[in-house]
Amino acid sequence: EAQVTQNPRYLITVTGKKLTVTCSQNMNHEYMSWYRQDPGLGLRQIYYSMNVEVTDKGDVPEGYKVSRKEKRNFPLILESPSPNQTSLYFCASGISKNTEAFFGQGTRLTVV
Amino acid sequence: DAKTTQPTSMDCAEGRAANLPCNHSTISGNEYVYWYRQIHSQGPQYIIHGLKNNETNEMASLIITEDRKSSTLILPHATLRDTAVYYCIVRGGTYKYIFGTGTRLKVLA
Repeated sequence: EAQVTQNPRYLITVTGKKLTVTCSQNMNHEYMSWYRQDPGLGLRQIYYSMNVEVTDKGDVPEGYKVSRKEKRNFPLILESPSPNQTSLYFCASGISKNTEAFFGQGTRLTVV
Repeated sequence: DAKTTQPTSMDCAEGRAANLPCNHSTISGNEYVYWYRQIHSQGPQYIIHGLKNNETNEMASLIITEDRKSSTLILPHATLRDTAVYYCIVRGGTYKYIFGTGTRLKVLA
């Protein structure tokens, strides 16, 4: 089944403890992206990647890192999480910038 | 990318057609209209997209006005499972999706 898989689905962590949220797609898509969703603010793009080893900042990249070493994986790294990064995170992938994107099921992160 | 305007919420009776409007008066010639929906806090689900011609797939129909300044998503026979937030997005070959606040559709039994 074609899908975008995020792990973990739920995570509670403490301030400053490094964490990684994984994202994997099995559709051989070139484009991948991370979003965060907060009440009243909609989905905002964090980072995106056009292909392996090519990444760029979205609208809210501060406090996040990404890497794209393989086409199928696009992990989101929080080196030193803070409470304002408590949010619902979505990974997405697409064939190209001119086609629709497919979203994962989300990761609900709480930083205390 | 052009900005879109949608009603905050709408109700629709089960079995009836749900017509969700979207205004995108600043759309430019190479920008497509995309529709997604989000059920509860699940990942957004792609529904349909179009450039200037009307489009139909197994989920919905998309009607785009001739001047392309507005569009309507039509769910022909709404069911309770269509209750969701529907997002209209205009994008023109970029890697960015700008999600607004969408329309919260409630399908009533």
